[in-house]
This record gives sequence, structure tokens and C-alpha cells, in this order.
Amino acid sequence: AQTVTQSQPEMSVQEAETVTLSCTYDTSESDYYLFWYKQPPSRQMILVIRQEAYKQQNATENRFSVNFQKAAKSFSLKISDSQLGDAAMYFCAYHGGSEKLVFGKGTKLTVNP
Amino acid sequence: DVKVTQSSRYLVKRTGEKVFLECVQDMDHENMFWYRQDPGLGLRLIYFSYDVKMKEKGDIPEGYSVSREKKERFSLILESASTNQTSMYLCASSPDLFSRSGNTIYFGEGSWLTVV
Repeated sequence: AQTVTQSQPEMSVQEAETVTLSCTYDTSESDYYLFWYKQPPSRQMILVIRQEAYKQQNATENRFSVNFQKAAKSFSLKISDSQLGDAAMYFCAYHGGSEKLVFGKGTKLTVNP
Repeated sequence: DVKVTQSSRYLVKRTGEKVFLECVQDMDHENMFWYRQDPGLGLRLIYFSYDVKMKEKGDIPEGYSVSREKKERFSLILESASTNQTSMYLCASSPDLFSRSGNTIYFGEGSWLTVV
């Protein structure tokens, strides 16, 4: 069964600094998607970034980028120039061929002014 | 814009009551999911459905059932609510994983259920 592990329950960063959130996963599939979702206090889940496993190039979206290491089954999220609005819970998710969507337990990010 | 709508944002039910949580999506997505979210436990998959009348158990199906009679609607049913089912319930939908480009999961706003 696929599993997703986020080893950092909480992280903090100073405004304008860079922070990296860790995510590892376990799967025997070769084709799948990985996602990072942000959940602010409003609870609405917001897609941050998506990576297709067959693409070797790391995905980027403005200040957000990933370090995708397929062999190591690692999918970390880097947030550059952190802003107060980045404070939220961040969830790593796996979506594979079985169509099952599996989430990690989340990392609570605090941004200090 | 894709919309996933959960019919009830806040519910208070008594122990033993039958509870229905409804979720509707308007983008003709094949897959629909029900999760519950609890502090420190993340999002745990209860059930998902990849087609009409098809369902698969997730990680915590005990005490729950689901119904998908139409493609756009996925219902979560608590046959006899218990206090340990007090939680936030999130519905999500997605297209088939590899059937189209730009695969993305879409979420509802969540339903807060309190069982007293």
C-alpha cells in the first residue's frame, strides 16, 4: 500500500527567508502524481504544486519549487522569500494508478515577521 | 471553475442517529473521495469511488458507508453516529489519473460534524 510521510509536524521561518518541507513516500508504481496542498485556517485546500513522476524536471510555481528524487522516493517543497500569507498546514499527497489519493499528516508552517 | 460542494458546513447530531453527508461536483470527474481530518492525524481516507456505483474502502471505513448512484454525487453515511466520529469531513474529486493532462484534485470546503 502507498504511504506518505511528512517527518516535520511543525516548521517555522522568518519572513523573506527560505524553508524546505520534507515528504517521502512508498510505492511500487512507476507512474503517479505527487502534490503539495496548502490549508490555511479557512480549511479550504489549495493546490500549491504538482509533479508528474515520469517528468524528471522539478516543478516550480513562482516562489514554490520541489526537489523530486524518484529513486529515493522523496518530494520536498521549497518556499523562497516566505511571506506571512504562507503560514498554513501543508500536506503532501500521492495519487497513483489505483486512483487512491493518500496524504501525509501535514506540516504546520509558521512565518515570523 | 470546478466546484465541489458539500451540502452542510456544520452539523450537530445525537449518538445513534443516521447521518448523511452529501458532496456534489460539477466537472464530470470520475473519482470522488471522502476523508476525515483530525489534528495530528492529517487526512485519512474513508472511501473513494472511481465510477458510478463503484466504491473502494480507504484506510478507515469502519462505521461508514457510501453511495454513488450518479456520477456527480457521492454521499457518506454514518449508520449510527458515535462521539468518536466527531470530526471534519472533506470531499474531493478528480479526473481519471492518466486520462487527461493537468490532473488536479479539487476539494469541498469541509463539513464539521459534532456527535453529542
